[in-house]
Amino acid sequence: DIQMTQSPSSLSASVGDRVTITCRASQAISEYLAWYQHKPGKLPKLLIYAASILQSGVPSRFSGSGSGTDFTLTISSLQPEDVATYYCQKYNNALFTFGPGTKVDVK
Amino acid sequence: EVHLVESGGGLVQPGRSLRLSCAASGFIFGDYAMHWVRQVPGKGLEWVSGISWNSGAIGYADSVKGRFTISRDNAKNSLYLQMRSLKVEDTALYSCVKASGWNLNPFEHWGQGTLVTVSS
Repeated sequence: DIQMTQSPSSLSASVGDRVTITCRASQAISEYLAWYQHKPGKLPKLLIYAASILQSGVPSRFSGSGSGTDFTLTISSLQPEDVATYYCQKYNNALFTFGPGTKVDVK
Repeated sequence: EVHLVESGGGLVQPGRSLRLSCAASGFIFGDYAMHWVRQVPGKGLEWVSGISWNSGAIGYADSVKGRFTISRDNAKNSLYLQMRSLKVEDTALYSCVKASGWNLNPFEHWGQGTLVTVSS
């Protein structure tokens, strides 16, 4: 089975900083990669699908890139409301594995 | 508006069974793949099982394969998860999730979840 890893596991950055989260698949998954934001006490929210397509309604400061095995989620200018755990997920076959998550805090 | 309401959770002893249900509304249920995702409080999201729009494609996480069975009734707008031989490590909040399409699609809407506690 394909395993998903993320780095870092957590980060703390200042408002306005550019933040990058990396996700790696143990085998190529083309662009079948989604990113989710999960705020405490809230339901997870789809941010990006097909590795780089922004879900409707998601702020443009979020962007995704990559294909094959290596992917990134970038927040161009971190905002206080972006405090959350971010998960990548593959969906290229009948197994929809999540990465372990990256917790993002604001300094 | 999409609504997903889970039920059937509770306290159960190890080795016993439990059946979760998800009542869906606000969309054409039979047009979308559906999934179960669980989360232990304070831990990450774990995909448990998924089923395509017509039940033609079904998948399970290795951790539940052979013990859990997913099913759906499109006439009743309902999703189910039959859980057998439950283990302590199955304790989690189980959420019903709607995909954005009929098969290999990301997850678009989540229910609030139902808590399953496996303990003697």
